[in-house]
Amino acid sequence: SAVISQKPSRDICQRGTSLTIQCQVDSQVTMMFWYRQQPGQSLTLIATANQGSEATYESGFVIDKFPISRPNLTFSTLTVSNMSPEDSSIYLCSAQGTGENTEAFFGQGTRLTVV
Amino acid sequence: EDQVTQSPEALRLQEGESSSLNCSYTVSGLRGLFWYRQDPGKGPEFLFTLYSAGEEKEKERLKATLTKKESFLHITAPKPEDSATYLCAVQAPLLNTDKLIFGTGTRLQVFP
Repeated sequence: SAVISQKPSRDICQRGTSLTIQCQVDSQVTMMFWYRQQPGQSLTLIATANQGSEATYESGFVIDKFPISRPNLTFSTLTVSNMSPEDSSIYLCSAQGTGENTEAFFGQGTRLTVV
Repeated sequence: EDQVTQSPEALRLQEGESSSLNCSYTVSGLRGLFWYRQDPGKGPEFLFTLYSAGEEKEKERLKATLTKKESFLHITAPKPEDSATYLCAVQAPLLNTDKLIFGTGTRLQVFP
């Protein structure tokens, strides 16, 4: 299994500002994913981040709003740009290998409140 | 359209009262079905992966089964510490990316 460290664990931000969330994995992984989870709801995939290529965004999410970096096989960042109160949510990083072991493991999440 | 539906939304059990959680799915070319446990304020914790119909996996009081259309998470003689939200997800190949599609979860409460 992979251990995923995500930071910050929580933050309160002013509207109009940006926050970058970092995700560090303790082993090399092919695929990393970023999810959003509204209170009491399930996980919604924002984008898939593979090392060496542009992130692939799901419907309803755009690169200008959620730029993602994936500089190597153990690290990724998600930036929430020009925040509004609607962006208040939990953001989760996930890492997944390929081949036989395809389980996805999750970080502890970043609880973001925009005021 | 690929879809995952979990039922019930919420379940209250007395300690020792066994029950099952359901995960129904429609997906083209299922690669795997995953069960996760999520405690409040934490990220999902991996429980099981099932790959083919008829497969079963067990861990302590939990047993996951898979058919061609659904999966069940059976909880035998649950304890209060089993209280959590249980999430089901399916892996759907999309180009070269095996993304997970999550259900809305079942919120389980076990009372002593």
